[in-house]
Amino acid sequence: DGGITQSPKYLFRKEGQNVTLSCEQNLNHDAMYWYRQDPGQGLRLIYYSQIVNDFQKGDIAEGYSVSREKKESFPLTVTSAQKNPTAFYLCASSRLTGTDTQYFGPGTRLTVL
Amino acid sequence: SQQGEEDPQALSIQEGENATMNCSYKTSINNLQWYRQNSGRGLVHLILIRSNEREKHSGRLRVTLDTSKKSSSLLITASRAADTASYFCATDDAMGAQKLVFGQGTRLTINP
Repeated sequence: DGGITQSPKYLFRKEGQNVTLSCEQNLNHDAMYWYRQDPGQGLRLIYYSQIVNDFQKGDIAEGYSVSREKKESFPLTVTSAQKNPTAFYLCASSRLTGTDTQYFGPGTRLTVL
Repeated sequence: SQQGEEDPQALSIQEGENATMNCSYKTSINNLQWYRQNSGRGLVHLILIRSNEREKHSGRLRVTLDTSKKSSSLLITASRAADTASYFCATDDAMGAQKLVFGQGTRLTINP
């Protein structure tokens, strides 16, 4: 059953803590993406990766970090430097970057207490 | 950065009516895509239209693209309650940026 998974579905974090969101895909896609979505808003790109061991900052990378050690996995760490991390986080993958269709995971809702 | 803008922000219609959403963008594109998002879920790809295409159909969906006006429309015919969702357009960048840029979305409500 091919697809893209995110865990956990809900995550609560205390202020000052780092937290890592998981994203895994078995679609054999080269490109992976992390987006942030605030209530009633569109998607803003945090980071993206075109290939293993390489990634680029998106529009709102400050306070976030990523790694791409395996093709299947693209975890996102929300650090304590992110001033307002409460949001819905979406991971996506595509066969190629740029013009290709993106396939999305179900999302992780992060709440800072 | 380039961004699509959807219009209207919210649309409420009766079941069976047609729904039309519009998207405008700023720079040259290779293609434009439409996605759907049910509340609290991930996005699902609906349709992709290339810059050299003017119209495309998929089931009850009809997408048009006018590159001279830098705009696209999504028409959903014979709407159903299950079509209630947010709809987003996404554009690439013909100048080479390897990413999509999503608009703010249109929230569509179909009343039974």
